[in-house]
Formats: sequence, structure tokens, C-alpha cells
Amino acid sequence: KNQVEQSPQSLIILEGKNCTLQCNYTVSPFSNLRWYKQDTGRGPVSLTIMTFSENTKSNGRYTATLDADTKQSSLHITASQLSDSASYICVVSPYSSASKIIFGSGTRLSIRP
Amino acid sequence: EAQVTQNPRYLITVTGKKLTVTCSQNMNHEYMSWYRQDPGLGLRQIYYSMNVEVTDKGDVPEGYKVSRKEKRNFPLILESPSPNQTSLYFCASSFKGQGSYGYTFGSGTRLTVV
Repeated sequence: KNQVEQSPQSLIILEGKNCTLQCNYTVSPFSNLRWYKQDTGRGPVSLTIMTFSENTKSNGRYTATLDADTKQSSLHITASQLSDSASYICVVSPYSSASKIIFGSGTRLSIRP
Repeated sequence: EAQVTQNPRYLITVTGKKLTVTCSQNMNHEYMSWYRQDPGLGLRQIYYSMNVEVTDKGDVPEGYKVSRKEKRNFPLILESPSPNQTSLYFCASSFKGQGSYGYTFGSGTRLTVV
């Protein structure tokens, strides 16, 4: 069964610190992997998109990495800000079906001043 | 502004009273989809539509209906809501063939069924 698992479930760090969120998936083959940021009560917003052949993708202070061999992805946040407090969701699209994307349950990140 | 608009944002209703949550996009996207989000379960697909008059079930379609009479609109219908449909609902859209790229999500509808 295709699955996407994220860790940790929740994380609290101090403002200005870096952090890394993890995503393990069993979807294979897959078309691409995305990271979304979701503020409380709002719709997810895309941060990064990587195809299976890409290893890294950056968007400002957000850097996503992908290891297709181990089926792992990570999202690294540099110099965290209070506005980074949100849930971060890993999403994998199976190669066979673009309509059946698979969501992880997310990591809830809290940034403390 | 390119966006997906859902209405209402908040809704409290009683068991069995039919309701419709509207979704409209202004990006000429072919693909539209409905998800529900519950604590600890992530986003689960309810129904999706690849184009006008083309709809299909997602992972949790029971108790829901959809229609796609126009490209821009994709309403979600609950014929007889039950308390287990209390959830946060999101509509999303994208271009066909890029369905796995850059989904645009609506702001969500928080539904409570009592």
C-alpha cells in the first residue's frame, strides 16, 4: 500500500534556529514529491516540488532534499521565524495516477520567541 | 488574483439537513478535487473531476456527491449529513497533466454536524 509517513509529529524550536523535517514514502514509482505549508485553518500552500530525478530544491529559507534510493525526503528550514509556525505536509504523486496523490499527516512546527 | 474560492468558511448544521459547499476556481483548471482533513489523519480525497461532466470517487466518497457542470465550479453535496462528517474540507484545482504539480487549495470550510 502506498504510504507517506512524516516525523516528528510535532516540533518546537526557538526563533532563529534551524530544523529538519522528515518524510518517508513507499510510493513507487512516483512522479514527484512536494512539500506544503499549512497555516492553522487555511489551505496548504506549495513550498517545493521535486521530480524523482532531483536531489534538492530550495525556496528561500526552505530547502527540500530527496533520496529516491532510500525513499526519503527532508525539509530543512534555516533561521526560523515566528511565521514559520505551521504544519508541513509531504505529498507524493504516484507515477501511474496524478489524481491519486498521497498526503502525509504532517509535522506541526511551533516557533517560540 | 488566481484562486480557489470556497463557501461558506464555517457551517454548523443538523443531522440530515442537506447542504452544499461551493467551490469555484478562476484559473481555467481542468482538474478539481475535494478533500477532508481530520486530526491525525491528514488530507483524504473525497471526489475528483478530470474535466466537465467527468467525476470519480476518491478514498472516502461515502455520504458525499459532486457535480461538474461547468469547468470553474465543483460543488460538494451532503444529502444527509451525519456527525462523522464533521471535518475541515478543502477544494483544490490544477491543470490536467500537471495534476501532481502545484495544486491550488481553497481556504477551507469547517463543517460541524450536530
